Amino acid sequence: DVKVTQSSRYLVKRTGEKVFLECVQDMDHENMFWYRQDPGLGLRLIYFSYDVKMKEKGDIPEGYSVSREKKERFSLILESASTNQTSMYLCASSSIAGGRNEQFFGPGTRLTVL
Amino acid sequence: GESVGLHLPTLSVQEGDNSIINCAYSNSASDYFIWYKQESGKGPQFIIDIRSNMDKRQGQRVTVLLNKTVKHLSLQIAATQPGDSAVYFCAENEGYSTLTFGKGTMLLVSP
Repeated sequence: DVKVTQSSRYLVKRTGEKVFLECVQDMDHENMFWYRQDPGLGLRLIYFSYDVKMKEKGDIPEGYSVSREKKERFSLILESASTNQTSMYLCASSSIAGGRNEQFFGPGTRLTVL
Repeated sequence: GESVGLHLPTLSVQEGDNSIINCAYSNSASDYFIWYKQESGKGPQFIIDIRSNMDKRQGQRVTVLLNKTVKHLSLQIAATQPGDSAVYFCAENEGYSTLTFGKGTMLLVSP
């Protein structure tokens, strides 16, 4: 089974702190994604990556950056956390091998910024 | 904390009933569609997918129907069980672009 893991289930940070969210997948997928999920807004794409050291902006990249130094790991960075970044963060991975574009999700990190 | 289910359309059914969850998609060029299930406190899980060259696909207790004419997707769950209670999302994709997700529907199953 594909497994996507996220470093923390719950995280509490203070305004202005630098925050790192880590995601690791074990299926050698080339694609990785970071979303945030908020009530009434659904899943919104922050950043994604098609390969090591490659990154693409999603729909809401402002206030975030990412890093993909290894194929299995995709990190989301909040350079200076703000209260409006309180949210559920979901990581996903996918591969186009087999002709499907199904994304496999991690369990999520619920981030609270005080 | 707040549930992802707040502000969502909700479908309430009795255990044993059949459930139908609907989704309207926006891109007429989308050629791949997925249904996801998200239980409280967990990430979305894949349920079933369908390509645009099909109009129906069946899994275990689930069926997805695709009507490209009206850009409509539905998920049918047979003999709904309390464990089916969750938020259900559809997602669409064109080629190998990123997925576009619907807002979701909350399914509540009463014993």
